[in-house]
Amino acid sequence: DTAVSQTPKYLVTQMGNDKSIKCEQNLGHDTMYWYKQDSKKFLKIMFSYNNKELIINETVPNRFSPKSPDKAHLNLHINSLELGDSAVYFCASSQSRGIYEQYFGPGTRLTVT
Amino acid sequence: GQSLEQPSEVTAVEGAIVQINCTYQTSGFYGLSWYQQHDGGAPTFLSYNALDGLEETGRFSSFLSRSDSYGYLLLQELQMKDSASYFCAVTPGNMLTFGGGTRLMVKP
Repeated sequence: DTAVSQTPKYLVTQMGNDKSIKCEQNLGHDTMYWYKQDSKKFLKIMFSYNNKELIINETVPNRFSPKSPDKAHLNLHINSLELGDSAVYFCASSQSRGIYEQYFGPGTRLTVT
Repeated sequence: GQSLEQPSEVTAVEGAIVQINCTYQTSGFYGLSWYQQHDGGAPTFLSYNALDGLEETGRFSSFLSRSDSYGYLLLQELQMKDSASYFCAVTPGNMLTFGGGTRLMVKP
């Protein structure tokens, strides 16, 4: 019944490693997003996909690569992890692009040591 | 670009009314949204204003003045469970840009 799900919920890893976060939505939405929330709770858009097509890429380092195999899934792969990547990453979806009502997943707390 | 300003913290007592203000500057504007986030939880959508005026949803109301680039979220009959962070967000186009959030603490 979960609308937007993410795995894993917690991720602890060392600098330099590569990791992935997976996201799935069962709402039938066309648009999915990745957000980063830092320790001060600033919530910032990273990427947005509409029907598997990348429509927003907000000056995110190349180490971050999103992939959308279909419109229900949006994964985030991070290469060469750095300390500053430690944050909570939220996946979200909306019925279509530009829609103000977004549904967020539970978040993935990434800790880089 | 876009910038949004909201107070970092507000404290109120149970049963009271609290108003969380948000001022914004944006190059394009379609509307102002509000989201609630409990500690350790995900943001959840509360309300949206595209036009000037007040929108009411139960104990929560949201107001927008496009000419003043200003809006607020009004929470009435505060309950302990309303303790959370509240984010305003603007929709300039294909995405949401969030303010820094206001932490609301409700005391007994």
